[in-house]
Amino acid sequence: ETGVTQTPRHLVMGMTNKKSLKCEQHLGHNAMYWYKQSAKKPLELMFVYSLEERVENNSVPSRFSPECPNSSHLFLHLHTLQPEDSALYLCASSQDYQADTQYFGPGTRLTVL
Amino acid sequence: AQSVTQLDSQVPVFEEAPVELRCNYSSSVSVYLFWYVQYPNQGLQLLLKYLSGSTLVKGINGFEAEFNKSQTSFHLRKPSVHISDTAEYFCAVSASYGGSQGNLIFGKGTKLSVKP
Repeated sequence: ETGVTQTPRHLVMGMTNKKSLKCEQHLGHNAMYWYKQSAKKPLELMFVYSLEERVENNSVPSRFSPECPNSSHLFLHLHTLQPEDSALYLCASSQDYQADTQYFGPGTRLTVL
Repeated sequence: AQSVTQLDSQVPVFEEAPVELRCNYSSSVSVYLFWYVQYPNQGLQLLLKYLSGSTLVKGINGFEAEFNKSQTSFHLRKPSVHISDTAEYFCAVSASYGGSQGNLIFGKGTKLSVKP
């Protein structure tokens, strides 16, 4: 595997479910990001991790809980989501936090029923 | 803070015609500028970026963009498009220094539709 991978690619969940999104980067980068892409809205930065420490948390509801166990893996734990949380969730990585270029994964298409 | 405006939400064009996708930004500090492309059911792929130096930047797949500081623009161009260029294109900006350096601010995207 090369680049940034995300699993699952598609996820359908009910509002009472608990699920997790996984991101893995094979680029040797030190920073990882979660973005939300909703229809007709710009990409929204959710979380940033640098060397496994969270450095940004952009007013994201607590029903989204990130975890970065090491510099190659990033998770987004989901619980009691709302239908408006349905979106494409994109993971990205960069060499370092505040590096000029981010590399994106293919995304997880989340549908909340 | 930075912001990005992509003036056209959709651009239809015929194959082999030229295309320009417009992007304007605002920022109180100097910036880095980016164009990303998103093909259906895929993530974002970097097309090109402006960090410094020559204002004309060449990217992958025959695309280029020109940084115009006085007009705060970074329009994307291709002289002859292919069907395979059908995708959504995102312009993004980040501060080139300071606390928000590296924080990408995206536009809403422009859907390019290339017709045969």
